[in-house]
Amino acid sequence: RKEVEQDPGPFNVPEGATVAFNCTYSNSASQSFFWYRQDCRKEPKLLMSVYSSGNEDGRFTAQLNRASQYISLLIRDSKLSDSATYLCVVNGRGQAGTALIFGKGTTLSVSS
Amino acid sequence: DAGVIQSPRHEVTEMGQEVTLRCKPISGHDYLFWYRQTMMRGLELLIYFNNNVPIDDSGMPEDRFSAKMPNASFSTLKIQPSEPRDSAVYFCASSVAHSGGETDTQYFGPGTRLTVL
Repeated sequence: RKEVEQDPGPFNVPEGATVAFNCTYSNSASQSFFWYRQDCRKEPKLLMSVYSSGNEDGRFTAQLNRASQYISLLIRDSKLSDSATYLCVVNGRGQAGTALIFGKGTTLSVSS
Repeated sequence: DAGVIQSPRHEVTEMGQEVTLRCKPISGHDYLFWYRQTMMRGLELLIYFNNNVPIDDSGMPEDRFSAKMPNASFSTLKIQPSEPRDSAVYFCASSVAHSGGETDTQYFGPGTRLTVL
């Protein structure tokens, strides 16, 4: 089983749509979880951290289910500028201050 | 504040040549990471340093790859000899641990796009 698995997509949605991405991870000891965004031919950038209680940042909502080792990202009211690849990221070895493991990403394309 | 700086941004070389990639982390960050990204394998961690000391190099693909961090503001990733399968985008990232030791946000440089012919 891969350490972090994501549906690669692409997800093609119209502006204003709601879209959800899912991710599963294999290391039950992982403690830190993130979503990163990567634009075409650019570097990854942190979108948001994912907390056990779930968290929201504007149109973006992230949730974590530790029992199922599952992370989700919900984007409401999609904008053209949301078109990018979204990377699910977990702490690799369940230890603070160590490496992150990146999923291969889910590609989102928002059209007008 | 300057972000992570990488050079060169693009490198085209011939098989067998030595390639050196450079990275300057964000000032004050005590973790530095080297990643490689390809379409097939995604973003892979090669090696990371804490306070200039290599902590985990298990991702380095083979002996042709080596990395150094002689001081807190500079790191290199060297490939010698280079091969066509090394063609990829190489990212450097840096971060600082929280006071509680939790993993903090990693800030990525713009990457070096390497092509080995």
